[in-house]
Amino acid sequence: DIVMTQTPLSSPVTLGQPASISCRSTESLVHNDGNTYLSWLQQRPGQPPRLLIYKISKRFSGVPDRFSGSGAGTDFTLKISRVEAEDVGVYYCMQTTQFPLTFGGGTKVEIK
Amino acid sequence: EVQVLESGGGLVQPGGSLRLSCTASGFTFSNYAMTWIRQAPGKGLEWVSAIIGSGLNAYYADSVKGRFTISRDNSKNTLYLQMNRLRVEDTAIYYCAKDRAVAVAGPDYWGQGTLVVVSS
Repeated sequence: DIVMTQTPLSSPVTLGQPASISCRSTESLVHNDGNTYLSWLQQRPGQPPRLLIYKISKRFSGVPDRFSGSGAGTDFTLKISRVEAEDVGVYYCMQTTQFPLTFGGGTKVEIK
Repeated sequence: EVQVLESGGGLVQPGGSLRLSCTASGFTFSNYAMTWIRQAPGKGLEWVSAIIGSGLNAYYADSVKGRFTISRDNSKNTLYLQMNRLRVEDTAIYYCAKDRAVAVAGPDYWGQGTLVVVSS
């Protein structure tokens, strides 16, 4: 199974400041079709997860452009350019390149 | 507007069975794979099972293989998860999610979830 490791576990951020979350996989996430199926999800308190980014860097519909994804192979990053109060929650990376689909352990973003 | 709505959760004893349903609207159901993902209380996300748009191929996590069965009725826009031989560790919120493609590429729209509690 592909293991996804996120760092940090928790990220206290000042409003308006940037935040960055790292996700590393134990194997390359490049699929046979040439795509890299790495997604980022946001889960606000008491809410279901919500898709933010797919295929490393593609923003999903309605996602603010302060969210961006980057990376390749086994190393990926989610960046929030200026954290807003509504960004508080847990962020997960997820790989859908290979079964079983797997998630990172989550990174909690909170306001300092 | 894309919507997926889970139902069927509840309290069940260890060894018991439960069937979850997920009713979809706002998109052509048969054109998309569907996925079940669960979240134990206070824990992270765990993928459970997925099924392609036609229903001909299904995939399972090792933790549920042989006990859970995913299926879909494209005429009713409904996804199912039949859960047998339930264990205490199956206790979780179960989310239904629409995939981005007819094969499994990754979920985009998620439901609100349905809580399954396995306890004596």
